[in-house]
Amino acid sequence: GAGVSQSPSNKVTEKGKDVELRCDPISGHTALYWYRQSLGQGLEFLIYFQGNSAPDKSGLPSDRFSAERTGGSVSTLTIQRTQQEDSAVYLCASSVTTNSPLHFGNGTRLTVT
Amino acid sequence: EDQVTQSPEALRLQEGESSSLNCSYTVSGLRGLFWYRQDPGKGPEFLFTLYSAGEEKEKERLKATLTKKESFLHITAPKPEDSATYLCAVQGPGAGSYQLTFGKGTKLSVIP
Repeated sequence: GAGVSQSPSNKVTEKGKDVELRCDPISGHTALYWYRQSLGQGLEFLIYFQGNSAPDKSGLPSDRFSAERTGGSVSTLTIQRTQQEDSAVYLCASSVTTNSPLHFGNGTRLTVT
Repeated sequence: EDQVTQSPEALRLQEGESSSLNCSYTVSGLRGLFWYRQDPGKGPEFLFTLYSAGEEKEKERLKATLTKKESFLHITAPKPEDSATYLCAVQGPGAGSYQLTFGKGTKLSVIP
């Protein structure tokens, strides 16, 4: 079946611009996660959605980052006023339940020039 | 704070040369330890979950084991297609247990 889909796969933007990254999770998966993978670093947790519960935003690095999940399915991660340190691969994952293995998309590679 | 350290950072093996990757962890109450494989330009692909010391899981040429302080990913007679970065992650206890803590990975290269 279809896996987690992320778009765009690559995004180059100028410093100060806003960007939106999209994630389509696996159908039926109630949990959705965003992680960030910077060069030479481990994956860094950003935000978690579970069903209709309030999301856990504790991993968002600054108030320039926000995310929403509409209808319990598609999620959008928005970064406002991008900075060069925001350059990274942004990975979305979904799972059947909180304690199930995560299924990752192929990520969006963000480059801020 | 949960911590995961993977070693070595990079490993080159000849085809057929067996070896092990190490994942040392510190977590106050392990709920699960996960191994993932990541190919260049792709997202991590789930391999195994281990829950308690002494547990072992196998898949083809890979075998994962777990102690109270570390996990090993043993690769037997590797093939070039096993080349990838292998990631280890831990899940701790408590309300935020869904936040996995990842190591930086071991980049494995298998030479024909």
